[in-house]
Amino acid sequence: GDSVTQMEGPVTLSEEAFLTINCTYTATGYPSLFWYVQYPGEGLQLLLKATKADDKGSNKGFEATYRKETTSFHLEKGSVQVSDSAVYFCALSDDGFNKFYFGSGTKLNVKP
Amino acid sequence: EAGVVQSPRYKIIEKKQPVAFWCNPISGHNTLYWYRQNLGQGPELLIRYENEEAVDDSQLPKDRFSAERLKGVDSTLKIQPAELGDSAVYLCASSSVRGLAGGNLNEQFFGPGTRLTVL
Repeated sequence: GDSVTQMEGPVTLSEEAFLTINCTYTATGYPSLFWYVQYPGEGLQLLLKATKADDKGSNKGFEATYRKETTSFHLEKGSVQVSDSAVYFCALSDDGFNKFYFGSGTKLNVKP
Repeated sequence: EAGVVQSPRYKIIEKKQPVAFWCNPISGHNTLYWYRQNLGQGPELLIRYENEEAVDDSQLPKDRFSAERLKGVDSTLKIQPAELGDSAVYLCASSSVRGLAGGNLNEQFFGPGTRLTVL
């Protein structure tokens, strides 16, 4: 079945460091891929998405590229801020079925 | 525009007691999801509604969990009786079909969740 695997956390970085959170997926069709962010005490918020191979999603300085050949959707940011501290979830949705699969989340701690 | 509304935000009960969670999705969103999120894990789907029809309830423990979405808008998720292992955050999300009602295809909007603690 479809699934998402993301790197385990926590990831601890200093402010202005480069961030990469790895995400790989398994899917039978042509899924859409997402990154969600969850701040403490809040629900998940969509950070960015890509709906087809080679698409790049970007938002708030974060970006991720849909790589079909490596079945990956790694999240990157060139310079993290303390306010980026949160849990990040990679997810995919089945093509046309509105069914979502989430990774286990990666906690990011950014130190001043 | 108001987001997905859930209540209560927190609930503490003793095991074997019943509990209910309520969700009001974004206006016009026909698809509604209930997820359970255990500590340190990603959300896991319990049930998905298309309008008032439950189209995927394969992961819902039907011996103690039930859900309804009367009139295809608000939804209630119930646990009776609750067990210690039910302690988790219960998330509601909604989405619309192919860009209708201000949403994009396959984009979900989440509520803040209900944190359940079973003692």
